[in-house]
Amino acid sequence: GQQVMQIPQYQHVQEGEDFTTYCNSSTTLSNIQWYKQRPGGHPVFLIQLVKSGEVKKQKRLTFQFGEAKKNSSLHITATQTTDVGTYFCAGPEAAGNKLTFGGGTRVLVKP
Amino acid sequence: DTAVSQTPKYLVTQMGNDKSIKCEQNLGHDTMYWYKQDSKKFLKIMFSYNNKELIINETVPNRFSPKSPDKAHLNLHINSLELGDSAVYFCASSNEQGFLHIQYFGAGTRLSVL
Repeated sequence: GQQVMQIPQYQHVQEGEDFTTYCNSSTTLSNIQWYKQRPGGHPVFLIQLVKSGEVKKQKRLTFQFGEAKKNSSLHITATQTTDVGTYFCAGPEAAGNKLTFGGGTRVLVKP
Repeated sequence: DTAVSQTPKYLVTQMGNDKSIKCEQNLGHDTMYWYKQDSKKFLKIMFSYNNKELIINETVPNRFSPKSPDKAHLNLHINSLELGDSAVYFCASSNEQGFLHIQYFGAGTRLSVL
């Protein structure tokens, strides 16, 4: 079945620094989604990328979908304490209504 | 107005007991899901219903039985609870227009089996 992997599993970042988290799928995806889960909270949809090579920005967050539509990245600039949480990527399986989530990148920010 | 609401938020119970978790969504979505999130934060789909019909049934013990009385509600009943069932259970819904599959999650039910 489809597998979605994320690296790194943990990211310790100094406040103000930039970092990138990566997502790789074993199959080509029709779209990729990113979610953020704050500590003690629930996953919240951030963004969806559909086109090959697509880049979207949300303030300090930049999301990219790979040319082959099998990988994606999330880049955060000038990390703030509000960025703490786990970031998940997810891609739908070709058949059916199932969304496969990556293992998540847990982001910890050092003030 | 909460879009996807789950009850209870916390559930502490003894091994061997039977418990239920309820979920309701007011988004008008056709599809609802149950996910299990373990202590390592892995999110694994368990079940999915589309207009009251079961469409996804992952490898989950028979002790777990979902029920969807209508498309706005999806409940999860768990029989003979085991220690390994301790986790956070999330209900979610989506509007299956084309391939969107964007999930809207409830706040979660934190189940602790003692």
